[in-house]
Amino acid sequence: GAGVSQSPRYKVAKRGQDVALRCDPISGHVSLFWYQQALGQGPEFLTYFQNEAQLDKSGLPSDRFFAERPEGSVSTLKIQRTQQEDSAVYLCASSSSTPKETQYFGPGTRLLVL
Amino acid sequence: GDSVTQMEGPVTLSEEAFLTINCTYTATGYPSLFWYVQYPGEGLQLLLKATKADDKGSNKGFEATYRKETTSFHLEKGSVQVSDSAVYFCALRTNRDDKIIFGKGTRLHILP
Repeated sequence: GAGVSQSPRYKVAKRGQDVALRCDPISGHVSLFWYQQALGQGPEFLTYFQNEAQLDKSGLPSDRFFAERPEGSVSTLKIQRTQQEDSAVYLCASSSSTPKETQYFGPGTRLLVL
Repeated sequence: GDSVTQMEGPVTLSEEAFLTINCTYTATGYPSLFWYVQYPGEGLQLLLKATKADDKGSNKGFEATYRKETTSFHLEKGSVQVSDSAVYFCALRTNRDDKIIFGKGTRLHILP
């Protein structure tokens, strides 16, 4: 079956532009996570949804980062006024019921801010 | 805070060599422990996991044992293949919250 998909796969933005990154979780998965992976580093947690509720946003690095999942399926991570330090791979993961279940990761969106 | 430390790479081995990638963790309580693998051009995949002390996770010939006394979860494989070339991430999840905390990753190169 289909796994987690993300779009776009690559995004180049000029500093100051807004970007929107999309995540389509596995159908029926309740929990959805966003992670940020800088070059040569492990992924770092950004935020977590259970259905449409954002239960944890403690990892969002600044108020320029915003995530939503209005209907409890597709999620969008928005970054306003992008900065060079936002350049990273943004990973989305989903799990079937509780977050204690295995998280399945998408291929990521590689964001480059010039 | 909670953290994972794993050996730095790259690690280069010949095919059929024995592999160990060291991983230690710091966490309160009793975390679940994971190894994820990222093959070139692909997304992160769960390789194996262990949820309590002395559990052994295994998959595709890889093994790791949850050692609470040494706070370790070292990854081992008896005979590596070229197809095992990838980046390996050790990770934990506490019972306190839902996020996964990853190490920095270890790049593994297997030479034919």
